[in-house]
Amino acid sequence: QQQVKQSPQSLIVQKGGIPIINCAYENTAFDYFPWYQQFPGKGPALLIAIRPDVSEKKEGRFTISFNKSAKQFSLHIMDSQPGDSATYFCATRYSGSARQLTFGSGTQLTVLP
Amino acid sequence: GAGVSQSPRYKVAKRGQDVALRCDPISGHVSLFWYQQALGQGPEFLTYFQNEAQLDKSGLPSDRFFAERPEGSVSTLKIQRTQQEDSAVYLCASSLGTGNEKLFFGSGTQLSVL
Repeated sequence: QQQVKQSPQSLIVQKGGIPIINCAYENTAFDYFPWYQQFPGKGPALLIAIRPDVSEKKEGRFTISFNKSAKQFSLHIMDSQPGDSATYFCATRYSGSARQLTFGSGTQLTVLP
Repeated sequence: GAGVSQSPRYKVAKRGQDVALRCDPISGHVSLFWYQQALGQGPEFLTYFQNEAQLDKSGLPSDRFFAERPEGSVSTLKIQRTQQEDSAVYLCASSLGTGNEKLFFGSGTQLSVL
């Protein structure tokens, strides 16, 4: 059961470009929406996260935009660098007791020098 | 320790063998998760511990999978009679409290079943 749909599957941008990764969810009981970054051979690492009562959050070059009515959220990377090349996962957290994260299928980002 | 530590880093098993994967969470972290990550996919939830209590094991794919955290720190994921479809990276993650917002992941154990 795919509860989080992520797109695109892969993305190639030039250095300085602004890649945008999108996620859509169905369950309105989700209450926390993080983005994780994963490099090859490593575990995912938390990048930035947002709660549904906020429409946008910025941390450094990373911005989350959240559209509660459309049940969509996206990650924007400003002034992208080759070091940003990684796989990015959106996730949602159910507000129930277990509170585990459900991850999207991932976006492989390549930033060309 | 400085982060979540998992061992072994790689494990090759023959079909039908039993394997045990170890996770050392960050000291003092209450919550511990196991996730399974297939090649090219996002992590999928397996099970959740709060201290030594296994509060959710709904993601375990079959009764061949078993996890424990007897003293509320180190956890072991055991897979009995491994099958080829068990080949994946098994990730462990921990968080300080029970809100489970900031998860710290280990680098995983890559299991290959031949």
